Amino acid sequence: DTGVSQDPRHKITKRGQNVTFRCDPISEHNRLYWYRQTLGQGPEFLTYFQNEAQLEKSRLLSDRFSAERPKGSFSTLEIQRTEQGDSAMYLCASSSRGLNTGELFFGEGSRLTVL
Amino acid sequence: AQSVAQPEDQVNVAEGNPLTVKCTYSVSGNPYLFWYVQYPNRGLQFLLKYITGDNLVKGSYGFEAEFNKSQTSFHLKKPSALVSDSALYFCAVRERYSNSGYALNFGKGTSLLVTP
Repeated sequence: DTGVSQDPRHKITKRGQNVTFRCDPISEHNRLYWYRQTLGQGPEFLTYFQNEAQLEKSRLLSDRFSAERPKGSFSTLEIQRTEQGDSAMYLCASSSRGLNTGELFFGEGSRLTVL
Repeated sequence: AQSVAQPEDQVNVAEGNPLTVKCTYSVSGNPYLFWYVQYPNRGLQFLLKYITGDNLVKGSYGFEAEFNKSQTSFHLKKPSALVSDSALYFCAVRERYSNSGYALNFGKGTSLLVTP
């Protein structure tokens, strides 16, 4: 096991296109989180899954953003009709015990550049 | 809402000297506090956490943090800095979202530069 994996590492797209990012969590982790990080800022929480259930999505930035975790394993984050303001690093994290006792394990992120 | 503040954008320290990266928190109830480090082109790595118990928490790579309830602070410390400690450091607090669980709220980060 090599930790949380994200793909692609870098995506360049034109404004108006749709993009999708994939996250493979640590295999025994049932909790999965998506964050966004812009330059000079800390990670910003977007959404959270426990197994396949999306338990929190009110923090998604707009209705252009959606996330899925269909079988409780990998997850995808889709951004439709991208805008230049969507340019950021998108981070995925997973955990096995939740935040009562555990911590989050982060992937290296997917950097989005919208031209 | 639970939040943390990192008052310094950058901290400079000479190798071998002690370092401190500051964090203050604003929470209702008992805080669950975390420190993460981000090296260039690497993911965030967990350093340490405070949930309950001893106010001095020891973590990875020789780092420790002191929880101070009266000052609402959770400063990260290391007795002797290494050049390889140069990185971005993030303080975070656990936040409850509706009835569904928790996530981490991060500060904006502090850039630590250790010079030889």
